[in-house]
Amino acid sequence: QKEVEQDPGPLSVPEGAIVSLNCTYSNSAFQYFMWYRQYSRKGPELLMYTYSSGNKEDGRFTAQVDKSSKYISLFIRDSQPSDSATYLCALNTGFQKLVFGTGTRLLVSP
Amino acid sequence: EAGVTQFPSHSVIEKGQTVTLRCDPISGHDNLYWYRRVMGKEIKFLLHFVKESKQDESGMPNNRFLAERTGGTYSTLKVQPAELEDSGVYFCASSRDLTNSGNTIYFGEGSWLTVV
Repeated sequence: QKEVEQDPGPLSVPEGAIVSLNCTYSNSAFQYFMWYRQYSRKGPELLMYTYSSGNKEDGRFTAQVDKSSKYISLFIRDSQPSDSATYLCALNTGFQKLVFGTGTRLLVSP
Repeated sequence: EAGVTQFPSHSVIEKGQTVTLRCDPISGHDNLYWYRRVMGKEIKFLLHFVKESKQDESGMPNNRFLAERTGGTYSTLKVQPAELEDSGVYFCASSRDLTNSGNTIYFGEGSWLTVV
């Protein structure tokens, strides 16, 4: 069983839609939860990180962590075509070795 | 401020040959990481340097892979001899310190390796 599970998609939505991206994990030692965005042929770019459970908002992006369910989410409001990319969840235990999900490919059509 | 830079961006080599990938971290970043993504799989950790010392090399797949960071600045990852299953994209990343306040790890654009 993988430590982090993420649906690879693709997830296709119209412009303006609310997007929900999710990961589940199995290791309860994970304490730090990151979301990276990766455009084609580019490196991962950190979008948001959350420590422990709770919500964190940054503009159109909201990260949510539920440690009791081992479930993390990234919500994108008012999605734009420029949001089309692969979104990767990444977790660590506090030592900076990241464990990644496979990534979800998001396509936002105009 | 320059980001993490990697060279070469693309490389095609024959099975059995040697390839050396280079990474220049962000200036002042003591922590340097190598990750790899092979086709259809998730990005996986290879190893972590703190300055010139290997902090964690638990992700290195086998002894065909050798990573160095002489002087604590740039790093090289050598694959010798390369096998078909080594094809993928190799990412380098760096961070300033080990505290998790911000936990900001910056990635390079990757070195795309194809072994034929």
